[in-house]
Amino acid sequence: AQSVTQLGSHVSVSEGALVLLRCNYSSSVPPYLFWYVQYPNQGLQLLLKYTSAATLVKGINGFEAEFKKSETSFHLTKPSAHMSDAAEYFCAVSSYNQGGKLIFGQGTELSVKP
Amino acid sequence: DAGVIQSPRHEVTEMGQEVTLRCKPISGHDYLFWYRQTMMRGLELLIYFNNNVPIDDSGMPEDRFSAKMPNASFSTLKIQPSEPRDSAVYFCASAQGVFLIKAVEDRDTEAFFGQGTRLTVV
Repeated sequence: AQSVTQLGSHVSVSEGALVLLRCNYSSSVPPYLFWYVQYPNQGLQLLLKYTSAATLVKGINGFEAEFKKSETSFHLTKPSAHMSDAAEYFCAVSSYNQGGKLIFGQGTELSVKP
Repeated sequence: DAGVIQSPRHEVTEMGQEVTLRCKPISGHDYLFWYRQTMMRGLELLIYFNNNVPIDDSGMPEDRFSAKMPNASFSTLKIQPSEPRDSAVYFCASAQGVFLIKAVEDRDTEAFFGQGTRLTVV
């Protein structure tokens, strides 16, 4: 079975500050890991994904995430927050034997203060 | 491609009525997923199809829920009869079937989501 835990349902940062959203996963097979962003009243948009290639993954809008197998983590970071980054962020896990089925974390709402 | 298209965007219905949500996946995608999003339970997978065949419906809450995919370009999620606790945002997503190929790491493994249908049952 696979599962995802996102630490912190709400994170607030100041504009220009570092963004760090935490995600830990559980998987009995090598995982595929994803971060999705959801803006208000919108669907989910893929930010980045890890599929067993490079452990440091760069995505859109300046976000990146590092896969750490020893820590079973896939934390999302951005060096400098922008007001437009305010949204809800979801970490998800899948694997080659899951047929594309994604297991999502509970989500982290990111607020950016001016 | 216009992406995954869901209709309606919003639906308000009375308890006991039948509700049908619709989804048009991206052309060429052979996987289709239905998710439900609520504050209490987050994003839950309800059911998914591969080549129009239901593969895993273990997430369907109860017999009031049913999903069909009569062809590669259309799927429906039906709730009959609807109840207030069914109020949620329902998302449809589609993907190409590369998840099963472990070695093909550079292939696209992204699931594309629709805008969702916000269902309110009063």
